[in-house]
Amino acid sequence: DGGITQSPKYLFRKEGQNVTLSCEQNLNHDAMYWYRQDPGQGLRLIYYSQIVNDFQKGDIAEGYSVSREKKESFPLTVTSAQKNPTAFYLCASTGGSSYNEQFFGPGTRLTVL
Amino acid sequence: KNQVEQSPQSLIILEGKNCTLQCNYTVSPFSNLRWYKQDTGRGPVSLTIMTFSENTKSNGRYTATLDADTKQSSLHITASQLSDSASYICVVSAGREYGNKLVFGAGTILRVKS
Repeated sequence: DGGITQSPKYLFRKEGQNVTLSCEQNLNHDAMYWYRQDPGQGLRLIYYSQIVNDFQKGDIAEGYSVSREKKESFPLTVTSAQKNPTAFYLCASTGGSSYNEQFFGPGTRLTVL
Repeated sequence: KNQVEQSPQSLIILEGKNCTLQCNYTVSPFSNLRWYKQDTGRGPVSLTIMTFSENTKSNGRYTATLDADTKQSSLHITASQLSDSASYICVVSAGREYGNKLVFGAGTILRVKS
């Protein structure tokens, strides 16, 4: 999966709880991204970070938060404000090649009980 | 509105047969178009990337074509194998000046059976 790791692979959350999904990359990439994938839909961008200590909202940021304290790490917190958090979450990074190709992690499946 | 539409939604073929997946897009401006393969429960893996000036690119048994005039792309899989069973996602990039925004299609689910 291109040097990007995500943990855990499966995560179960009770309603009202915050949970944090981990994403780590050893590709020395500057930019990192979080996507949400739902059945029958294309990936939707939650947050992205072009550089350490800076991040921007994507198309569906409400109910999520992120931090980028280290180049290698971009954790995503799913807060209790996210009304429908059950989904498959994918982290990606980009190294600035001419194609700006994104490399994806293996994903975390979050289920709210 | 920037969109990427893929067809068919799903497809079942016999092992050894060929198939072609379609992608139509309205993303503008256009920088490049990518095809990804995503196995169930895994992250997408890049198959091909094509810029405006490229109209065909191959990766083993996978051949992608691009017609930038009609804004259409196809992914042709030759001599399919059981391991080709996956979702195939078409992604269009709007370019660096637009923050490299990616627009994802919903994917075509391919099942290859013996």
